[in-house]
Amino acid sequence: KQEVTQIPAALSVPEGENLVLNCSFTDSAIYNLQWFRQDPGKGLTSLLLIQSSQREQTSGRLNASLDKSSGRSTLYIAASQPGDSATYLCAVKGDQGGSEKLVFGKGMKLTVNP
Amino acid sequence: DAGVIQSPRHEVTEMGQEVTLRCKPISGHDYLFWYRQTMMRGLELLIYFNNNVPIDDSGMPEDRFSAKMPNASFSTLKIQPSEPRDSAVYFCASSLAGRDTEAFFGQGTRLTVV
Repeated sequence: KQEVTQIPAALSVPEGENLVLNCSFTDSAIYNLQWFRQDPGKGLTSLLLIQSSQREQTSGRLNASLDKSSGRSTLYIAASQPGDSATYLCAVKGDQGGSEKLVFGKGMKLTVNP
Repeated sequence: DAGVIQSPRHEVTEMGQEVTLRCKPISGHDYLFWYRQTMMRGLELLIYFNNNVPIDDSGMPEDRFSAKMPNASFSTLKIQPSEPRDSAVYFCASSLAGRDTEAFFGQGTRLTVV
């Protein structure tokens, strides 16, 4: 059974720092890995999707990497801003005979202080 | 498109009452997912549909939970009878077919059972 872990559960940093958020998963047989952002009281917004054949994806100040063999992904946030404060979740879609299931980590709550 | 639309946004009900949560997926999307989010367990997949047909309901916690998708633009998740431990945020999401497509989430329904 796939398990996704995000450590630490929370992080508080001053504005301007470069951040690395970690995600690990137990079963390397995945189609892709997705990073989401969740603001308080809101739904999830997809940030980046990395296919199993890719090593990384970039969008603006965000860069996500994937090491499938070791079961790890990192989300890099450059020059953090207070507006980046949110909960960040990673999720993997397993390579299980066409299953569309996404298995989520519990998320990491990020606070960027001005 | 207005995105995935869920109603109601908040629901407070007494134990034993029937609760119905509603979801309108993004037009043209093939898949619809129901998730439940709690602090303890994070995001859990309850059930998902492909072209209105339930594919995997292994995440539905008990017989008290049921979900339907009578047409491509509407789905319901029903809890009967509701219990305090059902209190959570329930999310609906939809996506196109294809292994590397993104999932789009609604704003969620916060359910409180007293």
